[in-house]
Amino acid sequence: GAVVSQHPSWVICKSGTSVKIECRSLDFQATTMFWYRQFPKQSLMLMATSNEGSKATYEQGVEKDKFLINHASLTLSTLTVTSAHPEDSSFYICSASLESSGNTIYFGEGSWLTVV
Amino acid sequence: KQEVTQIPAALSVPEGENLVLNCSFTDSAIYNLQWFRQDPGKGLTSLLLIQSSQREQTSGRLNASLDKSSGRSTLYIAASQPGDSATYLCAGKRDYGQNFVFGPGTRLSVLP
Repeated sequence: GAVVSQHPSWVICKSGTSVKIECRSLDFQATTMFWYRQFPKQSLMLMATSNEGSKATYEQGVEKDKFLINHASLTLSTLTVTSAHPEDSSFYICSASLESSGNTIYFGEGSWLTVV
Repeated sequence: KQEVTQIPAALSVPEGENLVLNCSFTDSAIYNLQWFRQDPGKGLTSLLLIQSSQREQTSGRLNASLDKSSGRSTLYIAASQPGDSATYLCAGKRDYGQNFVFGPGTRLSVLP
């Protein structure tokens, strides 16, 4: 079946640095990908919708200049957390839409970010 | 705005019990519904997906159903095992191309 891969699974970075998380659809093309984050003991919240070849659509309260999303190809979307701070430490997960399968959504494995 | 409720928030049962987890959406127009499990410190594992033309799905000891008229879904776990201990999340999406909205989860502990 369709597989979505996220990398890295775990990342620790220093406060003030930037970190990039990749989301790849391995065996299908995804025109739309979604990025979510989950704070401890909370549910997953949508951050942004990533559309191939165009600007991402951010949810209210998500800083687009801090969370840069690039969807340059039909199989890759990246989320860059810029000038990371400890409060950005969270679980980030992406999903990709497979249009040929009734628009089934497939999720990546998620990435744990710790900012120290 | 779609909101999702999961009841109970936490559940602790002895091994072998059958149990039901509940999920409800404020907007009953659900196109796809998916149940996941999440183990501490790990990602999501998809358990069951109910697509727009379906009302229930079964996989092993798991059965999920969706009542589209009320926007409610249940996840039934038969003969629970300690390995079933995890947080169970339901997520639904309203329409083609839209994102999933997640519930807060039910934390399940199955005691040996």
